[in-house]
Amino acid sequence: GAGVSQSPRYKVAKRGQDVALRCDPISGHVSLFWYQQALGQGPEFLTYFQNEAQLDKSGLPSDRFFAERPEGSVSTLKIQRTQQEDSAVYLCASSLEGGGNTEAFFGQGTRLTVV
Amino acid sequence: QQQVKQSPQSLIVQKGGISIINCAYENTAFDYFPWYQQFPGKGPALLIAIRPDVSEKKEGRFTISFNKSAKQFSLHIMDSQPGDSATYFCAASPSTGGGADGLTFGKGTHLIIQP
Repeated sequence: GAGVSQSPRYKVAKRGQDVALRCDPISGHVSLFWYQQALGQGPEFLTYFQNEAQLDKSGLPSDRFFAERPEGSVSTLKIQRTQQEDSAVYLCASSLEGGGNTEAFFGQGTRLTVV
Repeated sequence: QQQVKQSPQSLIVQKGGISIINCAYENTAFDYFPWYQQFPGKGPALLIAIRPDVSEKKEGRFTISFNKSAKQFSLHIMDSQPGDSATYFCAASPSTGGGADGLTFGKGTHLIIQP
């Protein structure tokens, strides 16, 4: 595809349920980022991959959050035992080069609502 | 600790006017300063970015002004159009040297251009 693709676009989960959010970055992009965007706020950094290596997970809010990118392409963000405070839009971004100070292309996001 | 402070929170400008959004940062390690535009239901899209070796960068109707000593940067939208109505985010990122640093975003400015 031409851009970053995320699925599903919308997800409603009951509190305590596990969810998995998928990100297909732009082909050939080395860097992949996950961000969490609460309503009316700016995106907040969650984690960063360079190829298949997770180089930074300092933004993950708790050990219920887990991300992987096993083959250096598609990434999955998993949230276990979802809580209401997890409700947000989860954005994935990719960039051609390594590091955070190059142009990042964002997907449309997955809106997660925990009820 | 909010590392990037953005103002104003909302802004109304008449068509043809100049829209000005300001950001201030604290981390002197930041060396990449992009501005993103976000429409409802969409992911952020890069508008323009600057690095500290220049004080101004212009692309079409969009200009970034950068003041390294004051640790401030601003976005100017000339000849503002109704299609520019969106939420704008400033962001910043440090040099990575192969490290893993995502973008730190401001809280956003909701811009409305009145016809």
